[in-house]
Amino acid sequence: AQSVAQPEDQVNVAEGNPLTVKCTYSVSGNPYLFWYVQYPNRGLQFLLKYITGDNLVKGSYGFEAEFNKSQTSFHLKKPSALVSDSALYFCAVRDGTGFQKLVFGTGTRLLVSP
Amino acid sequence: KAGVTQTPRYLIKTRGQQVTLSCSPISGHRSVSWYQQTPGQGLQFLFEYFSETQRNKGNFPGRFSGRQFSNSRSEMNVSTLELGDSALYLCASSLGTSGDSETQYFGPGTRLLVL
Repeated sequence: AQSVAQPEDQVNVAEGNPLTVKCTYSVSGNPYLFWYVQYPNRGLQFLLKYITGDNLVKGSYGFEAEFNKSQTSFHLKKPSALVSDSALYFCAVRDGTGFQKLVFGTGTRLLVSP
Repeated sequence: KAGVTQTPRYLIKTRGQQVTLSCSPISGHRSVSWYQQTPGQGLQFLFEYFSETQRNKGNFPGRFSGRQFSNSRSEMNVSTLELGDSALYLCASSLGTSGDSETQYFGPGTRLLVL
C-alpha cells in the first residue's frame, strides 16, 4: 500500500528566504506525486505534480518540487518565500497501477514571517 | 470553467441524525472522490465514484455511503451521526479516464459539526 510522510508539522521561514517542505513516499509501483495547498476555511488547491520525465517540476505561484527516486522524496521548494505563502501544504501519492486512491501526508504548516 | 461546488458549506446536526452532502464536479469530469479532514486524522479517503459506480472505497463504517448521478453530481450520506463525524468533508473531481496521473480538483468543503 502506498504511503506518504511529511516529517515536519511546521516550517518557519523569513520572507525573501528560500523554503523547503519535505515529503517522502512509499509505493510498490511507479509513483505519481502531487502537492496541494490549503488556506484557512478553503479546500485544497493543486500546486504541481510529478508523473514522469524531468525530476524538477515547476508549478503554480513560483513553487517547484524535486523528485528523487533513490531517496523516495518529493520536496517542495520556492526560491523566495512570501508572507502570502503561509498555509497548510499537503503531499500526496498514487501508486501507478491503475485508478488507485490518492493518499495524503499529514500536512506541513508553513509560516512566513515579514 | 466553474470549479467544484459543494453544498451546504456549513451544517450543524445532533447525534443520531443523518446528513446528506452534495458535490457538483467540474464540467466534463466523471470521477468524484470524497475525503474527510479532521485535525487528528488528517485527510482520509472515503470513496470514489465514476460513471455512477463506486470504484474505490476507504476504511469507513457502513454509516458512510455515497452515490453518483448520471450528470456526475454526487452525494454522500452519513447516518446515525456521532460526535467524531465532525469534520470538513471535501469533494474532488477529475476526468476519471486517464488513470493515476490525473489531477483531482477540490471543492471548498462542507464543514459538519455534530453536537
